[in-house]
Amino acid sequence: EIVLTQSPATLSLSPGERATLSCRASQSVSSYLAWYQQKPGQAPRLLIYDASNRATGIPARFSGSGSGTDFTLTITSLQPEDFAVYYCQQRSDWPLTFGGGTKVEIK
Amino acid sequence: EVQLVESGGGLVQPGGSLRLSCAASGFTFSNYSMNWVRQAPGKGLEWISYITTGSRAIYYADSVKGRFIISRDNAKNSLYVQMNSLRDEDTAVYYCARGHTAMGLWGQGTLVTVSS
Repeated sequence: EIVLTQSPATLSLSPGERATLSCRASQSVSSYLAWYQQKPGQAPRLLIYDASNRATGIPARFSGSGSGTDFTLTITSLQPEDFAVYYCQQRSDWPLTFGGGTKVEIK
Repeated sequence: EVQLVESGGGLVQPGGSLRLSCAASGFTFSNYSMNWVRQAPGKGLEWISYITTGSRAIYYADSVKGRFIISRDNAKNSLYVQMNSLRDEDTAVYYCARGHTAMGLWGQGTLVTVSS
């Protein structure tokens, strides 16, 4: 099973600041990595697929990069609605797996 | 409106069974592979099962293999999961999610509580 490790567990930032979230895979997943955002009481929302492709309707301040085992989700200027939990997920091999999540909280 | 709506959750005793449904609307259901993903209270996301468009390929997480059965009825635009031999640790919100390249559409979830 491919293990995805997200860091940090919690990121405390102010609105307008840049957020950099990391996801590291236990073995190469090529570019088959997605990022999701989840707010309390809501279903997850797809942000990025195949490492760097923004999903439909996702603002340009969200970007993804990386390949192989190291991936990054960057939010260039945090908006109030961006404070949430973010998960990475790989589709390179079965079983599909998610990372443990990074909570982006208001500082 | 493009949406997925789960139903069938509730309280069940350990060892019991439950069948969840996911009704799709607003898109051609038969064109998409589907997933079940769950989230235990206060925890992260756990993928549990996947089914291709024609049900030819099915995959399960080890945590549910042999106990859960995923299925779909394209004529009814519906996805199902039959959950047997339920355990306390199966308590979670269960989501259906569309797609394999990425899960681009999610339902609102249905809560399953396993408790005596």
